[in-house]
Amino acid sequence: GAVVSQHPSWVICKSGTSVKIECRSLDFQATTMFWYRQFPKQSLMLMATSNEGSKATYEQGVEKDKFLINHASLTLSTLTVTSAHPEDSSFYICSAPGQTTNYGYTFGSGTRLTVV
Amino acid sequence: GENVEQHPSTLSVQEGDSAVIKCTYSDSASNYFPWYKQELGKRPQLIIDIRSNVGEKKDQRIAVTLNKTAKHFSLHITETQPEDSAVYFCAATYTGNQFYFGTGTSLTVIP
Repeated sequence: GAVVSQHPSWVICKSGTSVKIECRSLDFQATTMFWYRQFPKQSLMLMATSNEGSKATYEQGVEKDKFLINHASLTLSTLTVTSAHPEDSSFYICSAPGQTTNYGYTFGSGTRLTVV
Repeated sequence: GENVEQHPSTLSVQEGDSAVIKCTYSDSASNYFPWYKQELGKRPQLIIDIRSNVGEKKDQRIAVTLNKTAKHFSLHITETQPEDSAVYFCAATYTGNQFYFGTGTSLTVIP
């Protein structure tokens, strides 16, 4: 079935540094990738939608200059958290529409970001 | 956009009892409603889903019902087991790919 590989699974960084999270579709082409953020004990909130070859679409309240999204190829989408702060500590997870059904939806394994 | 509400936020049941989680949605155009189970620190796993042309779907101990008129859908877990303990999320979509998630229900099954 459709697999999305997400790396790293866990990262700790210092305040002010940048962190890049990668999501790769391993056995299918993902023209669209959804990026979610999940704070502890909360639901998944859509941050942005990346589309191969075009600019990402950000949800209201999400700073596009802070959360840089690049979808350079049909199999790779990246999220870079720039100038990270402790309040950016969260679980970030990507997801791509799968191929098995019209509504198939494959999640990456998630990235636990801790900013100290 | 779509707004999905989920209740209850926490639920504790005795092993063997049934658990019911309810969700409502606002956009009558939504036509696909999946349920996800998420264990701590892991990705959500699809456990069951239902499309708008169906009123009920069952898979062993898990069932989902949909009332399009009232715009609500429910997850039913029968004969609960300790391994059912997790956070459950409902979701709704009308575009076929962008999901709107409920706020989650933390289910605890007491042995």
